[in-house]
Amino acid sequence: RKEVEQDPGPFNVPEGATVAFNCTYSNSASQSFFWYRQDCRKEPKLLMSVYSSGNEDGRFTAQLNRASQYISLLIRDSKLSDSATYLCVVTGGGNKLTFGTGTQLKVEL
Amino acid sequence: DAGVTQSPTHLIKTRGQQVTLRCSPISGHKSVSWYQQVLGQGPQFIFQYYEKEERGRGNFPDRFSARQFPNYSSELNVNALLLGDSALYLCASSLVLSGSQSYEQYFGPGTRLTVT
Repeated sequence: RKEVEQDPGPFNVPEGATVAFNCTYSNSASQSFFWYRQDCRKEPKLLMSVYSSGNEDGRFTAQLNRASQYISLLIRDSKLSDSATYLCVVTGGGNKLTFGTGTQLKVEL
Repeated sequence: DAGVTQSPTHLIKTRGQQVTLRCSPISGHKSVSWYQQVLGQGPQFIFQYYEKEERGRGNFPDRFSARQFPNYSSELNVNALLLGDSALYLCASSLVLSGSQSYEQYFGPGTRLTVT
C-alpha cells in the first residue's frame, strides 16, 4: 500500500464548479499535512497546511480526519487558473515530506 | 525576498558521469531537503540537512550524497549516473526542522537532469 494515495484524475470541471479531492495516508504517526499545487514542469508550491480543526483560505477548504487517516481539499467557484496538479503531502518520522502522486484538475470554459 | 534558488536549471549528462546540483535556501532558513521527481510521480525524498548535519535519508543508493555548508546552502552529488536518474531534482528549505508550522517547506524551481 502506498504511504499517500490520491486519485490521479483528471478531474475536468466547468468554471465556477465546486470540486473536492481526497487523500488517504497509511502512517498513523503522521504529524503534519499539506496540500501543494504543481503546474506543469514547475516546482510544487505550498497551497495550505491542514489542521485538525480544518482550515479555509478564500475558495479553498482543507479537512483532516485523523481517525480515518483522510485529508480533503475543496475548491469552490473554480477558475481557469486553478488548473494544475494538487499534491497531498504528509510528514512522518524525521520530518520528510511524503507526497502522493497528485490529482490533476482541468477547469474548462 | 529571494526564494529558494537552484543551479543549474537544466543539465545533460551521459551514463557513468557525475553531477553536482546546488541549492540556496530562503534567507534565514536552516533546513534543506532534496527530492527527486520523475514524470507522472510525486517528489521522492532523498536527503534532509539541518545545521549542516544529515537528519534524514530516503531510499536512494549510495551513489547519491549531499552536504550543507555553513551558509546553509547545499549540494547534491550523484555518481555513476544511470538513465533512470533522469528527473527533476528539487530543493526545499524550511525555517526549522520540526515541531511547528515554521517547518513548512518551500521549493526551488528545480534542476532538470537528463542522462543519455
